[in-house]
Amino acid sequence: RKEVEQDPGPFNVPEGATVAFNCTYSNSASQSFFWYRQDCRKEPKLLMSVYSSGNEDGRFTAQLNRASQYISLLIRDSKLSDSATYLCVVSFNTDKLIFGTGTRLQVFP
Amino acid sequence: EPEVTQTPSHQVTQMGQEVILRCVPISNHLYFYWYRQILGQKVEFLVSFYNNEISEKSEIFDDQFSVERPDGSNFTLKIRSTKLEDSAMYFCASGRDRYEQYFGPGTRLTVT
Repeated sequence: RKEVEQDPGPFNVPEGATVAFNCTYSNSASQSFFWYRQDCRKEPKLLMSVYSSGNEDGRFTAQLNRASQYISLLIRDSKLSDSATYLCVVSFNTDKLIFGTGTRLQVFP
Repeated sequence: EPEVTQTPSHQVTQMGQEVILRCVPISNHLYFYWYRQILGQKVEFLVSFYNNEISEKSEIFDDQFSVERPDGSNFTLKIRSTKLEDSAMYFCASGRDRYEQYFGPGTRLTVT
């Protein structure tokens, strides 16, 4: 089983839509969770850390379900500029970040 | 806003040659990392570096790889004898603590 699994997509949504991505991780000892975004041929950029209680940053909401080993990212009111690949990332109390393969989002006008 | 910088942006080298990829982490960061991403694949951890020593390395980071922080600002990745399969985008990252890591723009390494 892959350490971090994501639906590769693509998710094609119109501007203004709400879209949700899910991610599962295999190691129950995972301690830190993140969402990064990556534009084509660019570096991963930290979007948000994910906390046990869930957290929100503007139009973005992240949730963590430790029992199901599941992380989600919700994007409300999608913008064209949200088009990117969204990377689910975990770490097991070490520095090493373990990346999923990413979910591609395409927002169209 | 401070950023991680990397040079060169693109390096072409012949198989068997040595390459050095350079990074300038964010100035008040203490934790430094190298990752790589083969085209079309996921980002993979190579090595972490703290307090002037390697704290963790992956199976990919074999004897052909080394890292150095030669002065207070630069952080380098050396590949001693490049192979075709080393062709990838190499990302440097840094962090103030062990949890949030900020990535540089990457060096695209092409081995011919």
